[in-house]
This record gives sequence, structure tokens and C-alpha cells, in this order.
Amino acid sequence: EAGVAQSPRYKIIEKRQSVAFWCNPISGHATLYWYQQILGQGPKLLIQFQNNGVVDDSQLPKDRFSAERLKGVDSTLKIQPAKLEDSAVYLCASTPAGRWGNTEAFFGQGTRLTVV
Amino acid sequence: AQSVAQPEDQVNVAEGNPLTVKCTYSVSGNPYLFWYVQYPNRGLQFLLKYITGDNLVKGSYGFEAEFNKSQTSFHLKKPSALVSDSALYFCAVRVGQAGTALIFGKGTTLSVSS
Repeated sequence: EAGVAQSPRYKIIEKRQSVAFWCNPISGHATLYWYQQILGQGPKLLIQFQNNGVVDDSQLPKDRFSAERLKGVDSTLKIQPAKLEDSAVYLCASTPAGRWGNTEAFFGQGTRLTVV
Repeated sequence: AQSVAQPEDQVNVAEGNPLTVKCTYSVSGNPYLFWYVQYPNRGLQFLLKYITGDNLVKGSYGFEAEFNKSQTSFHLKKPSALVSDSALYFCAVRVGQAGTALIFGKGTTLSVSS
């Protein structure tokens, strides 16, 4: 089966610019996650969707970050305006519905964002 | 609050020697525990998981992990390391089935020398 697809792979922008990332989860996976991985740290959850509804966005900096999952399939994560500290790898992951506890998450290759 | 600790930033072993990458967790409730590996410029790849039952879990590429409830640990092990095992390893935990996301440790870099 096809894995989690993310684009772009790399992005360099200047601070105060905007940027958007795209994720297409594994077909049939109801739960979608966006994680931020800063160099030297483990991935940190930004937002979690169940179908097209938000389950957890408590760690999403809502003054500059936004995300949507229209139609419950693919998702976009946007940063506007970007700050230097947003430089990180943004990982998208998905899991099937109904087995949230014991099912591993499947990750995309990530988008490496550099803000200069 | 749930948390995962990986006390070592880096582990160095010689090829052919056994390796251990340490992980401890702090949760309220019964944990589901996972190990992931990340190669340069790649996403996270699932290695193995502990759900319930046998405390010794076997996973991909010859890796295994031992769940120890009394010590709240889930150390990753391999009897004989390969140079190709060199990568960044993450331990993660999930508690409950209410759609909670994985919580990750900060990662341990494994370096296997030939």
C-alpha cells in the first residue's frame, strides 16, 4: 500500500513570509497527525484530526499556525507569518480508525522548513 | 503528564557487539510503547511495539525490546549490531484509546563502527 505522502520535501522562506505544507495519508486512515520536529528534539504533536474534525490542537500556536482537513482525507498545515524558530521538520502521520491505542502511526518523509 | 525519557544522546558500539538504547516512561495508566528509527532526511519508521502480554517484543531488522513495568522501562536491544543500524532512534508512548497521539522522547543517536 502507498505510504503517507508529503510535499514539498524542502522549503526555504524568509521570516514573516507564509508557507503551506500538504499531506495525503494512507488510504482509509481516519486519524491524521501533524508533528513538529526541531533539530535535536523528538517530534511534538501540533494537531490531530479524526476524519475532518480536530481532536487535539492544544499545542498548535494558533496565532500563526492553521491546519485543515477538508473532506477527511488530505490535509494542509499553514504558517503565517513564519518566525526563525519555526525552522524544523514537519511530519505528517496517520493511523486507521478504531484501534487508536495499540496501532502504530505511519509517518511521511517530512517537510524540512528553513526560515531565514 | 505523560512523558518519555531517553537518557543517552548518543550510543556508540562496535559492529558485532550487542547494543542497548534506553527508554523510560512516566504515565498514568497502562502504556502502549513504541520504537521508531529515523535515517537522515527520512521520516520515522516503525520498529516494534509493546501492547500487552510477553514482556520481550521482537521487531524489524533483528531488534527487540524488553518491557519492565516495575522499572517503567522499555529498552531497545539487538544481539549483534550492524553499521547499517546507525541512525536516530525514538521511543514513544501512548496511553488510552481516546485518540491520544504518541508522545516521543528526544531521541538517541546510535553509531556503529566497523
